[in-house]
Amino acid sequence: EAGVAQSPRYKIIEKRQSVAFWCNPISGHATLYWYQQILGQGPKLLIQFQNNGVVDDSQLPKDRFSAERLKGVDSTLKIQPAKLEDSAVYLCASSSDMWDEQYFGPGTRLTVT
Amino acid sequence: AQRVTQPEKLLSVFKGAPVELKCNYSYSGSPELFWYVQYSRQRLQLLLRHISRESIKGFTADLNKGETSFHLKKPFAQEEDSAMYYCALTRYGGSQGNLIFGKGTKLSVKP
Repeated sequence: EAGVAQSPRYKIIEKRQSVAFWCNPISGHATLYWYQQILGQGPKLLIQFQNNGVVDDSQLPKDRFSAERLKGVDSTLKIQPAKLEDSAVYLCASSSDMWDEQYFGPGTRLTVT
Repeated sequence: AQRVTQPEKLLSVFKGAPVELKCNYSYSGSPELFWYVQYSRQRLQLLLRHISRESIKGFTADLNKGETSFHLKKPFAQEEDSAMYYCALTRYGGSQGNLIFGKGTKLSVKP
């Protein structure tokens, strides 16, 4: 089966600019996750969707980050405005349900200058 | 506080030597523990989980609740084991989305 797809793979922006990341999960997977992985750290969950509903967004900095999964399939994560500390790899993962193995995408490496 | 600690940032061994990657955790409740692996230029993927009690690619891990540890072991390291390894936990029976990851250990297996 095709894996989780993410785009773009790399993005460089200046601080205070906005950026959006896209994720296409494995077909049929109900649960979708966005993680932030700062250099030297493990992934940190930002938001979890079950179909098109949010299950957990407790660690999402809502003043600048937003995410949506309108039709319960693809998802976008947006940062507006970006800060230097947002430089990280943003990982998308999906699973068939909340209790199942997560499959990760290749990630988007964001550099904020 | 819920926390996963991997004390070694880098572990270097020779091919054929035993390997142990350490993982300690702090969790107020009943945890489920995982090891994830990321090979060079590949995606993060699940290696094993403690409830399945499987041996994957020769690796095993035993949950020691008394010592709050979940160390990953392999008796004879291979060069293809070189990768980044992450220990992670979540609430037992809970959504796997609430994974808490450690900072990772980079394993380098020399020929």
